[in-house]
Amino acid sequence: DAGVIQSPRHEVTEMGQEVTLRCKPISGHDYLFWYRQTMMRGLELLIYFNNNVPIDDSGMPEDRFSAKMPNASFSTLKIQPSEPRDSAVYFCASSLGAVGSTQYFGPGTRLLVL
Amino acid sequence: AQKITQTQPGMFVQEKEAVTLDCTYDTSDPSYGLFWYKQPSSGEMIFLIYQGSYDQQNATEGRYSLNFQKARKSANLVISASQLGDSAMYFCASSGGGGNKLTFGTGTQLKVEL
Repeated sequence: DAGVIQSPRHEVTEMGQEVTLRCKPISGHDYLFWYRQTMMRGLELLIYFNNNVPIDDSGMPEDRFSAKMPNASFSTLKIQPSEPRDSAVYFCASSLGAVGSTQYFGPGTRLLVL
Repeated sequence: AQKITQTQPGMFVQEKEAVTLDCTYDTSDPSYGLFWYKQPSSGEMIFLIYQGSYDQQNATEGRYSLNFQKARKSANLVISASQLGDSAMYFCASSGGGGNKLTFGTGTQLKVEL
């Protein structure tokens, strides 16, 4: 079975540009998570969805960040406009069920904003 | 809110020896889960092992075992018979609070030496 799929794997963009990260969760999973990993802040949750509905977006840094999940097999994380401090690895993860369910991570998107 | 503390930024172990990676957690949730993930230099996040707060026995998965001491709020990872391929960053994480979001520690960099 395919795992969590993320695209692109690497993205280099210039400050002020719009960036869209994409994620396809494992088929049948009902939870989807977006995490960001940086040296300074470690791994932090940005937002998560349950059955395509955003449940907790308290980790989204600011209004420049937005996430959508139009259907059970696709989610996007958008940054507009991007800034150099957004440079990080962005992970998408999915799981089946609530507390105690294992989250399976995608390979991540390494974003560099110049 | 949940908090995970990993006090060992780096660890060395000889090949074929056992190693313990420390993790303490702080939560007020009555039901929670504890996870360990491995992140090799290639960057992906690999699930290793899970322990539920109500599980009576320590979790084991192959060479990995979780030493769960609820009263001490510790969830240490034990890797037996270390292999060179175990060299990686290891993250402890917890979930709870009615949702499934993970709170991660800062990680321990493990280096397995010949």
